[in-house]
Amino acid sequence: GAGVSQSPSNKVTEKGKDVELRCDPISGHTALYWYRQSLGQGLEFLIYFQGNSAPDKSGLPSDRFSAERTGGSVSTLTIQRTQQEDSAVYLCASSSQATQYFGPGTRLTVL
Amino acid sequence: QQPVQSPQAVILREGEDAVINCSSSKALYSVHWYRQKHGEAPVFLMILLKGGEQKGHEKISASFNEKKQQSSLYLTASQLSYSGTYFCGTEPPRATNKLIFGTGTLLAVQP
Repeated sequence: GAGVSQSPSNKVTEKGKDVELRCDPISGHTALYWYRQSLGQGLEFLIYFQGNSAPDKSGLPSDRFSAERTGGSVSTLTIQRTQQEDSAVYLCASSSQATQYFGPGTRLTVL
Repeated sequence: QQPVQSPQAVILREGEDAVINCSSSKALYSVHWYRQKHGEAPVFLMILLKGGEQKGHEKISASFNEKKQQSSLYLTASQLSYSGTYFCGTEPPRATNKLIFGTGTLLAVQP
């Protein structure tokens, strides 16, 4: 079956611009996660959606970052006024129970 | 709060064994292990729930000592395909399905 998909796969933007990253989770998965992975680093938790509950935003690094999940399915991570330190791979994962399935990621480069 | 993994990196010859450790400063409900190959998304290996069980997956197995808040991943008779970065993801008792990933262990298996 189809796995988690993310778009775009690569995004190059200029400092100060806004970007939107999209995640399509596995159908039927109630939980959706966003992570950030800088070059050679680990997985930094950003935000977690579970069903209709309020999202856990505890990992968002600043108020320039926001995310929404429409209809309990597709999610969009928005970064406003991008900075060079935002450059990283942004990974989305979904799960129905405990096991998380990751998408291929979006590589964001801020010039 | 982030679990600490050791070693940070290990180089093996094919057929050799390795142990990767994951240690948390907080009580745990479960530990998840993932492997990430270069340029790819993390892939789930196994989950261990509290109870000290040991699980296996071919020649890769793991144990979880909830009292010590530690988990270990055992790779026996390593193969080239085992190369990658291994992450443990820990789940605290009151944050169901939300994982905090460890610092990662880079494993390189050479012919």
